[in-house]
Amino acid sequence: GAGVSQTPSNKVTEKGKYVELRCDPISGHTALYWYRQSLGQGPEFLIYFQGTGAADDSGLPNDRFFAVRPEGSVSTLKIQRTERGDSAVYLCASSLIAGGQIDTQYFGPGTRLTVL
Amino acid sequence: AQKITQTQPGMFVQEKEAVTLDCTYDTSDPSYGLFWYKQPSSGEMIFLIYQGSYDQQNATEGRYSLNFQKARKSANLVISASQLGDSAMYFCAMREVGSGGGADGLTFGKGTHLIIQP
Repeated sequence: GAGVSQTPSNKVTEKGKYVELRCDPISGHTALYWYRQSLGQGPEFLIYFQGTGAADDSGLPNDRFFAVRPEGSVSTLKIQRTERGDSAVYLCASSLIAGGQIDTQYFGPGTRLTVL
Repeated sequence: AQKITQTQPGMFVQEKEAVTLDCTYDTSDPSYGLFWYKQPSSGEMIFLIYQGSYDQQNATEGRYSLNFQKARKSANLVISASQLGDSAMYFCAMREVGSGGGADGLTFGKGTHLIIQP
């Protein structure tokens, strides 16, 4: 079946602009995760959805970052007033089960965000 | 303190040799899972292998095996008979489940850049 998809694959924007990054998880996966990967680093957790609700947003760096998953499937990561330091690859992952169990997370190809 | 430590920034290995990528972790949570992912230059994170903290046997998946030493808090990845296509970044990651654990996402190490030479 289809894997996790993310759009756009690349996004170039100017400092101060607003951007939206989209993630379409594997069909039937209830859990969805967003990560940010800076150059030369491992991914860093941002937010986790269980169904439609954000179960854990402890990784969001500040209130400029927000994510939604209104119907429990597709998710959008929104960044307001972008800064050059937001430049990174934003990865989305999904897993079949959620909550207190451990399940394998499958990643999408990522969106490379560049803030000029 | 780092929760996941990968001490080898880069490794060069001859094709067909076995290779061990080191990973040590730090947690006080008795229930956790350990993962290895491969990230080729294309950028996608590819799941390789998983080990649960309560699993009695070391995980294996084809040419990949995980050398899990719980008392030492290490979870090294072993790739047997390396191939040119194994050249990539490799990340060790952990997910903690219990009340003493961290966020619900994975915590990743900084990765090891593996290069397989012909």
